[in-house]
Amino acid sequence: KQEVTQIPAALSVPEGENLVLNCSFTDSAIYNLQWFRQDPGKGLTSLLLIQSSQREQTSGRLNASLDKSSGRSTLYIAASQPGDSATYLCAVVTGTASKLTFGTGTRLQVTL
Amino acid sequence: EAGVTQSPTHLIKTRGQQATLRCSPISGHTSVYWYQQALGLGLQFLLWYDEGEERNRGNFPPRFSGRQFPNYSSELNVNALELEDSALYLCASSPDGPFNYGYTFGSGTRLTVV
Repeated sequence: KQEVTQIPAALSVPEGENLVLNCSFTDSAIYNLQWFRQDPGKGLTSLLLIQSSQREQTSGRLNASLDKSSGRSTLYIAASQPGDSATYLCAVVTGTASKLTFGTGTRLQVTL
Repeated sequence: EAGVTQSPTHLIKTRGQQATLRCSPISGHTSVYWYQQALGLGLQFLLWYDEGEERNRGNFPPRFSGRQFPNYSSELNVNALELEDSALYLCASSPDGPFNYGYTFGSGTRLTVV
């Protein structure tokens, strides 16, 4: 059974800092990994999708890397802003499950 | 391009009643997924529909059911509502199943059971 863990569970940083969010998964036989953000009480916004054959994806200030063999992914946020405050979720699709399995989330607060 | 739309936004029901939640996928997407996010808990997979068929089901009782219509829209039905069914229900769509493309989520339906 695929299990996805995110560390840290919560993070508070001052505006302008670069930061890294971590995601680990137990079954390395994934098809892809997706990072989302969720604002309180809202739906999920897709940030980046990394296919199993890829090592990283970039979008603006965001960069996600994938090391499938070690079961790890990181989301790098450059020059953080208060608008980045949200919960960040990683999720993987594993063939045996045929579904998206979510991590536990990292709650990020960027302070002025 | 319109995103994934869910209705209603909020729904209040009494214990024992039935709730119906609706989802319209992005145009051209044939797969629809339903997830439950209870307060303080993670996202739990409910159902996956593709081309009108139920393809996979999460660990939920049979009173959670749904269907997908010929236009690929979907509805989730929850019968005999219990207080613990109160949650944010999220729908997502993808072009052709979970393996090749990412999921796009809607804004959710907040179900409150009183």
